[in-house]
Amino acid sequence: AQTVTQSQPEMSVQEAETVTLSCTYDTSESNYYLFWYKQPPSRQMILVIRQEAYKQQNATENRFSVNFQKAAKSFSLKISDSQLGDTAMYFCAFMKRNTGNQFYFGTGTSLTVIP
Amino acid sequence: EAGVAQSPRYKIIEKRQSVAFWCNPISGHATLYWYQQILGQGPKLLIQFQNNGVVDDSQLPKDRFSAERLKGVDSTLKIQPAKLEDSAVYLCASSSLALFGRNSGANVLTFGAGSRLTVL
Repeated sequence: AQTVTQSQPEMSVQEAETVTLSCTYDTSESNYYLFWYKQPPSRQMILVIRQEAYKQQNATENRFSVNFQKAAKSFSLKISDSQLGDTAMYFCAFMKRNTGNQFYFGTGTSLTVIP
Repeated sequence: EAGVAQSPRYKIIEKRQSVAFWCNPISGHATLYWYQQILGQGPKLLIQFQNNGVVDDSQLPKDRFSAERLKGVDSTLKIQPAKLEDSAVYLCASSSLALFGRNSGANVLTFGAGSRLTVL
């Protein structure tokens, strides 16, 4: 079975600063994808960034970037120039691609951006 | 494109009563997921459909939970009888198995707003 671990239940960052959220996963699969999803307070979950496991280059989306270490099974999210709107729960997710596109989520990290 | 629609948004019931949630995925999305999200936790997969067939229901408490997607589009999730520990947000999501790449454009897994269930 696949497991996704987020070891930081809560984090805070000053506005305009940089913060890194950690995620590790355990799998025997070779063909998979990793995601970070954001869930703002009382709002629906949206995709932040995704990474294909076969790609060595780290994904970036504007202020969001990942550090993907496949051998270490680590997938951290870096948020640069943090904004108040970044305050949310962040979930790391794993999807295996052999059959069924099944997704597995971590327990989340609650990020608060302090003005 | 229209998003994933869910209803009702909120439901309060007494324990041992029944409740049903409805989900309409994004048009053309073959895969539909129901997740249970207890406060402070990550989403837990209850059931996954591919068109109208079940891909994974290993974590669905089948003695009280049921789900169907008869025509491969809309889906309903039912709980009967409800227990206190069923209080959670029930998230529906859909996926198109879209190809990855810089120009794919679409989210792979798109969530609805969720249905918040409180069991008293």
